[in-house]
Amino acid sequence: GENVEQHPSTLSVQEGDSAVIKCTYSDSASNYFPWYKQELGKGPQLIIDIRSNVGEKKDQRIAVTLNKTAKHFSLHITETQPEDSAVYFCAASKAGGGADGLTFGKGTHLIIQP
Amino acid sequence: GAVVSQHPSWVICKSGTSVKIECRSLDFQATTMFWYRQFPKQSLMLMATSNEGSKATYEQGVEKDKFLINHASLTLSTLTVTSAHPEDSSFYICSACPSGGQPQHFGDGTRLSIL
Repeated sequence: GENVEQHPSTLSVQEGDSAVIKCTYSDSASNYFPWYKQELGKGPQLIIDIRSNVGEKKDQRIAVTLNKTAKHFSLHITETQPEDSAVYFCAASKAGGGADGLTFGKGTHLIIQP
Repeated sequence: GAVVSQHPSWVICKSGTSVKIECRSLDFQATTMFWYRQFPKQSLMLMATSNEGSKATYEQGVEKDKFLINHASLTLSTLTVTSAHPEDSSFYICSACPSGGQPQHFGDGTRLSIL
């Protein structure tokens, strides 16, 4: 089955700096890669996703890049703010034409230092 | 849009009790819902895929007789943890997909504590 590795497990950056979180996946059939933000005691919230026919996607301060050949994808957050502090999870699935369960990475605890 | 609601948010009960958790899609229909489990400071692990009107599909290692799933309508799936024991204590989270495809939208989870 699919295996998703995520690094780093903890990331501390100064407010205003950029943060980058990286993930690799093992199953070349995976073609859908979402990123979720989870705050303490809450469910994950989708922040951005990318499909395998696209190499990069951006939404304001958040961007995701995908390298299908190398089987890795990354989350980039620019101009970080204190409210960006949370646990971030990457995930992969074979979206196909319908819904498929997600395989998650182990998560990155992002800490924004004021 | 795409709001998923879970109930209850927190359950504390004695060992041996059965506990039912509800997952509702509030503003869309979901032919497929998913159930995940998350232990403290760990990632989410897929337990089962819930399909409206048919039997759920369980991941390897998840006991179907222990975790009963019912998806009787396009907006409601339930997970019943039968004869719960302390090792079943965890954070259970459901998700649902509008239009049958990605992305998945998650509920706020149910924290289950078995004494």
